[in-house]
Amino acid sequence: DTAVSQTPKYLVTQMGNDKSIKCEQNLGHDTMYWYKQDSKKFLKIMFSYNNKELIINETVPNRFSPKSPDKAHLNLHINSLELGDSAVYFCASSQLGGGPRTDTQYFGPGTRLTVL
Amino acid sequence: KQEVTQIPAALSVPEGENLVLNCSFTDSAIYNLQWFRQDPGKGLTSLLLIQSSQREQTSGRLNASLDKSSGRSTLYIAASQPGDSATYLCAATNAGNMLTFGGGTRLMVKP
Repeated sequence: DTAVSQTPKYLVTQMGNDKSIKCEQNLGHDTMYWYKQDSKKFLKIMFSYNNKELIINETVPNRFSPKSPDKAHLNLHINSLELGDSAVYFCASSQLGGGPRTDTQYFGPGTRLTVL
Repeated sequence: KQEVTQIPAALSVPEGENLVLNCSFTDSAIYNLQWFRQDPGKGLTSLLLIQSSQREQTSGRLNASLDKSSGRSTLYIAASQPGDSATYLCAATNAGNMLTFGGGTRLMVKP
């Protein structure tokens, strides 16, 4: 059983389009995250979210927005896609988050986004 | 702002060798330090997590150490195997459970 799953695995789209990537975790975790891994393989946090708090990395453009319909899901919406958005996006979850009591994050398989 | 650096960027060793991967971080006010493994085209797998109050953690052939005062962590892999070939990432955890990743070390273990 997949602990953290993402759909789609691959996404190819045109500049200017709006797209969403879905993430689901079946671990009962309270906190979920989105990361971006660029072409140079650097992984950067985009968002940290639980039902109480959304923490946004200040470098993330406001075209990106997380949406959480329930505790097990954190979807990533991207408006007006740009060429530079091409990357692999990873979702993750952890039991704890938002304070000194931190623990292991479990990652999804990633979604490779290509903007043409 | 936390910055994490890993050296070397790439490493190739013959099977059976013991090896050390290095990670350094600039902000010592971390909650923990984590080591991950990433296989090509795949997600990340957590290997070891060292809490800020700990000095080391061990799992099988892997041993990770943490020296907060000097801003360093090492991952020791004993008796390396071809199946260990992957990219190894370290990540420092600060407030909000936000991970800051290093650039990774690409390890190749040759049979």
